[in-house]
Amino acid sequence: KNEVEQSPQNLTAQEGEFITINCSYSVGISALHWLQQHPGGGIVSLFMLSSGKKKHGRLIATINIQEKHSSLHITASHPRDSAVYICASGGTSYGKLTFGQGTILTVHP
Amino acid sequence: NAGVTQTPKFHILKIGQSMTLQCTQDMNHNYMYWYRQDPGMGLKLIYYSVGAGITDKGEVPNGYNVSRSTTEDFPLRLELAAPSQTSVYFCASSYPSSTDTQYFGPGTRLTVL
Repeated sequence: KNEVEQSPQNLTAQEGEFITINCSYSVGISALHWLQQHPGGGIVSLFMLSSGKKKHGRLIATINIQEKHSSLHITASHPRDSAVYICASGGTSYGKLTFGQGTILTVHP
Repeated sequence: NAGVTQTPKFHILKIGQSMTLQCTQDMNHNYMYWYRQDPGMGLKLIYYSVGAGITDKGEVPNGYNVSRSTTEDFPLRLELAAPSQTSVYFCASSYPSSTDTQYFGPGTRLTVL
């Protein structure tokens, strides 16, 4: 059974800091998803990656397939980045995902 | 496009009552999913569907039922509600690929008292 672990569970930062959230999974996969959930509940997909690195604005996601590990980086963090960040392993049959428990990020001005 | 819509947004149910959570998507996605999210826990898959008329159980299906009569709609039925079903429920949809992005609805916050 695939298990997905995120660290840290809670993260507090000052505006402008560089942030890293880590995700490890136990079974080989073909896709790793990063999602963002703002207070109030809505969940949006940030990245889906199967190798290497992807960048979107100030967000960068990397994955190391051999080590079964992925990281989400936020450069020049801003209070509007405050949210829960969720990683999920995928690539199984019918697109089913296994989710980590989420990392609560709070960025103070 | 409205994307994935869910109703209601909030609901309080009494123990033993039944209700249906509605989910509709307008992206012509074949794959649809129902998840529940409990505090401090990751999202758990309740049921999923790969097309009209085809549904299957996920990780935590007990106490729930689904149907998929059209591509657009995927309602989740709670029978004989129990306090353990207090949760936030999310519906999601995607194209029929094992690696495609899932699009989530806004969620339904359900309390069973």
